[in-house]
Amino acid sequence: DAGITQSPRYKITETGRQVTLMCHQTWSHSYMFWYRQDLGHGLRLIYYSAAADITDKGEVPDGYVVSRSKTENFPLTLESATRSQTSVYFCASDPGDGTQYFGPGTRLLVL
Amino acid sequence: AQSVAQPEDQVNVAEGNPLTVKCTYSVSGNPYLFWYVQYPNRGLQFLLKYITGDNLVKGSYGFEAEFNKSQTSFHLKKPSALVSDSALYFCAVRDFVSGGYNKLIFGAGTRLAVHP
Repeated sequence: DAGITQSPRYKITETGRQVTLMCHQTWSHSYMFWYRQDLGHGLRLIYYSAAADITDKGEVPDGYVVSRSKTENFPLTLESATRSQTSVYFCASDPGDGTQYFGPGTRLLVL
Repeated sequence: AQSVAQPEDQVNVAEGNPLTVKCTYSVSGNPYLFWYVQYPNRGLQFLLKYITGDNLVKGSYGFEAEFNKSQTSFHLKKPSALVSDSALYFCAVRDFVSGGYNKLIFGAGTRLAVHP
């Protein structure tokens, strides 16, 4: 009964490298979301998805790519990491009633 | 535009005293309102929500929230605070304007500090 998991939990990378953050949920929720959390900015929506193969941009999508080939997975890829992408990343899912359930987060440091 | 505001960056309260964390909203139509809590180094946890019905909503860990349509507020309350309630609290409103994607608009967060 894992719910929603994220991996890795911590990641250090260098500028210019590609990084993929994984998100997996066991509930078969239709909706999934990626947020970043930074001091002074609160939670900002990066991308979201209403179902498999349906994704759309959120508030801060530049430099990120998502895919959703399966309902349970929603990976987030930083194509060429920059220092400004140092942040804590949260994945969330929603069964359809508007309530979002969050994963534990991935702390990313870009050197 | 739909929005939610948390006017206090931090709330300090003594253990055993009642606590209130404030939230006001601006939406077109009927609001769907949520409260989440975030403990250090953890993800956000759902506390409670208001969709319709009774204006007083009860949630997890003894928290409740009062929906006030005339004041466009949805304040989070607890009758007796615990030190373990110290955390970051987020108010959120469902974004209906952007289509059927169930997005939430989050407030900036209020840090609750409960002192022994």
